[in-house]
Amino acid sequence: DAKTTQPNSMESNEEEPVHLPCNHSTISGTDYIHWYRQLPSQGPEYVIHGLTSNVNNRMASLAIAEDRKSSTLILHRATLRDAAVYYCILRGYGGATNKLIFGTGTLLAVQP
Amino acid sequence: KAGVTQTPRYLIKTRGQQVTLSCSPISGHRSVSWYQQTPGQGLQFLFEYFSETQRNKGNFPGRFSGRQFSNSRSEMNVSTLELGDSALYLCASSPLGSGGSTDTQYFGPGTRLTVL
Repeated sequence: DAKTTQPNSMESNEEEPVHLPCNHSTISGTDYIHWYRQLPSQGPEYVIHGLTSNVNNRMASLAIAEDRKSSTLILHRATLRDAAVYYCILRGYGGATNKLIFGTGTLLAVQP
Repeated sequence: KAGVTQTPRYLIKTRGQQVTLSCSPISGHRSVSWYQQTPGQGLQFLFEYFSETQRNKGNFPGRFSGRQFSNSRSEMNVSTLELGDSALYLCASSPLGSGGSTDTQYFGPGTRLTVL
């Protein structure tokens, strides 16, 4: 499975946008980019995923570079409840498995 | 719909004992996966079940085992507990079950196992 690289930690102020980067230089053409986050004392939760085009949902936006070697998760207005570890995960096409390979993720701190 | 539930939420055992953890997936989900989370190793995949069959297994010793029942509920068992087995054990279920690059995983709150 292709590997992802994320900064260990980032800080943001409440109500400001947050851009969480992820590098995946060995991504294959059929790998989807998934983001999960883990709030304190909870299990991970799905945030968003995409293949090539930028994606939006109620939680966040995902911006994917044209060469697909990097992506950015965008939280448009950070709240204190967004403080969590954010994981960028690549999932290959096909194969009957739901296995997720987690890296170390980015710990996001949100200051009031 | 109720989310993924795991029981018990907290457990304390001593070395050499065995433990069984339970996971009830979201209604209608047929795929269940288990993960171990420790401060040192992070989140690591244990195994995955679909339709009562194990279809993927992580790199863990044979002391770790699991099973899935016909109602999709799953259990994992750890025998001969070691201090290093202290961890948060997470269960996740998936709606599609067929696996693949777009399936979303829904995680439970985990079981915190402490081995003394």
